[in-house]
Amino acid sequence: TQLLEQSPQFLSIQEGENLTVYCNSSSVFSSLQWYRQEPGEGPVLLVTVVTGGEVKKLKRLTFQFGDARKDSSLHITAAQPGDTGLYLCAGRTNNDMRFGAGTRLTVKP
Amino acid sequence: GAVVSQHPSWVICKSGTSVKIECRSLDFQATTMFWYRQFPKQSLMLMATSNEGSKATYEQGVEKDKFLINHASLTLSTLTVTSAHPEDSSFYICSAREGISDQPQHFGDGTRLSIL
Repeated sequence: TQLLEQSPQFLSIQEGENLTVYCNSSSVFSSLQWYRQEPGEGPVLLVTVVTGGEVKKLKRLTFQFGDARKDSSLHITAAQPGDTGLYLCAGRTNNDMRFGAGTRLTVKP
Repeated sequence: GAVVSQHPSWVICKSGTSVKIECRSLDFQATTMFWYRQFPKQSLMLMATSNEGSKATYEQGVEKDKFLINHASLTLSTLTVTSAHPEDSSFYICSAREGISDQPQHFGDGTRLSIL
């Protein structure tokens, strides 16, 4: 079983639409990261959230860490084809980091 | 920003061959390095964690004699897949972290290993 559950697993939308990706767990994390991965490349860090209830914005992307530090969401406003990719959440516990299964986003022009 | 270089990016070799993958931190000292495996359209699965100068800690189900990890310096870790077989074909990704556990991990671009 995944330590981190991501939903939805797949998402295909039209350019200009909004979307939200969820990352849930029963575990408490000291921090949580969101990554985006292109095919054949390594994940690229988008954001790290540390404090319960924290909200961070990165242009059209809004990240929120749950109050109990067990869950997080990524909201994209007015999605563009360049947002297409695999979005991974990763929670840090002790000395390592565990990844969710990922959300594969396709934004059609 | 912190850069992690992974080499080679693509390997195709015959069954029974041993393959070495290098992971280098180019502009920071990587106290801890991580090796992940990723199957097509799946997430990253942690294989092992290595601290410089220490033996790697392997995740449950990962054969330490099959996947040899060496972290001999603060800028280099290697993963050797010994006597590789087709089922070892996968995308292998390393990441490196400087200092304490609160520091972010920086990922290499991965190595696609294909065993014929």
